[in-house]
Amino acid sequence: DVVMTQSPLSLPVTLGQPASISCNSSQSLVYSDGHTYLNWFQQRPGQSPRRLIYYVSNRDSGVPDRFSGSGSGTDFTLKISRVEAEDLGVYYCMQGMYWPRTFGQGTKLEIK
Amino acid sequence: DVQLLESGGGWVQPGGSLRLSCAASGFTFSSSAMTWVRQAPGKGLEWVSAISGSGDSTFYADSVKGRFTISRDNSENTMFLQMNSLSAEDTAVYYCVQGTMTLHYWGQGTLVTVSS
Repeated sequence: DVVMTQSPLSLPVTLGQPASISCNSSQSLVYSDGHTYLNWFQQRPGQSPRRLIYYVSNRDSGVPDRFSGSGSGTDFTLKISRVEAEDLGVYYCMQGMYWPRTFGQGTKLEIK
Repeated sequence: DVQLLESGGGWVQPGGSLRLSCAASGFTFSSSAMTWVRQAPGKGLEWVSAISGSGDSTFYADSVKGRFTISRDNSENTMFLQMNSLSAEDTAVYYCVQGTMTLHYWGQGTLVTVSS
C-alpha cells in the first residue's frame, strides 16, 4: 500500500501567523492522465471532512485563498498564509491514484 | 446542491451484520464513482471501499475484504454497504463520499457501534 506520511502531527500556531503541513507519499502520485492525485481535507471539530484542495494545488469553491497547496511527485505541502480561528481542526492528505486509497495520519492544528 | 445522506448505522453485537445506505442527490449519480470512508472514535480517516458508476468494479480495504460488500442502485440514486461478521474494530462513523480519486463531497456520516 502507498504510505502517506504527514508532519507535524500537532501544529500549535498563533492567530495571524502562517502554518505549513507536509505530506510525503511512498510512491509517485502522477497519473497517466497528467494529473497528480493528491488531495487535502479539513475536518473541523464535530464535522465531516471537507475537501480543500485537489490535484495538489486546486482550491475548492469557497475555500479561502489563504490556503494553498504545492508539491510534485511524492512531496507535498499545505500552507495557510495567516491562520484564523476557524481553521482549527485536523488536516489530512490523501492519495487517489492507487488501490487502496490511503490517508495521512492527520495534523491537528491548534491555536496557541 | 449535492447531498449525501447516510443511514442504517446503529448498535450491533460482535459477529452481527448491518447494511448502510447512502441516498444521493444533486448530481448525476450513475456517472459518479462512490466511496465509503470510516473514522473510529478519536482516530483518523480510513478508506473502506469504492464502486464505479456502473457498479461493475468494486474495491475494498484489506481490513474489510470478504466481510463487507459495496453495491449501488442507480435507479434509486443509492449506494449500500453490507457489513457482515462485525467486530469491535469496525466501530466508527461511516461516511459516504462522491468520487474515488478526488473525494469531493462528503455526507454527515452514520455511526456504527459494535459491542456486546
